[in-house]
Amino acid sequence: SQKIEQNSEALNIQEGKTATLTCNYTNYSPAYLQWYRQDPGRGPVFLLLIRENEKEKRKERLKVTFDTTLKQSLFHITASQPADSATYLCALYRGDDKIIFGKGTRLHILP
Amino acid sequence: KAGVTQTPRYLIKTRGQQVTLSCSPISGHRSVSWYQQTPGQGLQFLFEYFSETQRNKGNFPGRFSGRQFSNSRSEMNVSTLELGDSALYLCASRTGTSEQETQYFGPGTRLLVL
Repeated sequence: SQKIEQNSEALNIQEGKTATLTCNYTNYSPAYLQWYRQDPGRGPVFLLLIRENEKEKRKERLKVTFDTTLKQSLFHITASQPADSATYLCALYRGDDKIIFGKGTRLHILP
Repeated sequence: KAGVTQTPRYLIKTRGQQVTLSCSPISGHRSVSWYQQTPGQGLQFLFEYFSETQRNKGNFPGRFSGRQFSNSRSEMNVSTLELGDSALYLCASRTGTSEQETQYFGPGTRLLVL
């Protein structure tokens, strides 16, 4: 069955640097991948969607890549700020009308 | 537009009891999905309702059930609560007309089973 894995449980990055989060999946490539941000005590908030025929998507300081050969998506935050500290979730559309989520990566931006 | 709202925000129950959680979607959204989030398992899909019909179901036991009303509001019920049901229960809404559209999550209901 389709599985999704976010490699790091937690990641510490110095303020101003680029944070890179990884999402790997098994089996077939999904039609699209989504990235969400979740703050403590709140529901996830949608950030970006990338389709299987897209290599890269950008939104302000955020960039997502999708490599169907490596079965991997990378999520980058450039010029990171302490306010970027949160848990980031990737999610993929499994193809039977279900979305499955990774367990998330807790990102800490150190001032 | 008001966001997705969930009530109650916090709940404490004991084993064997049953609980009902409520979700009001964004106005105009006809799809409501429910998720369970725990530190160990992450965010897991429970079920999706669209126009009062269950459209999709995850791999949870029959103790977990839901329904949707004509105004798209949805309720989730868990019967015979177990300690392992302690979790953050999230609902998410979307229009439901396209599989690639964004889901909007509510703040969640934190359930503690003692």
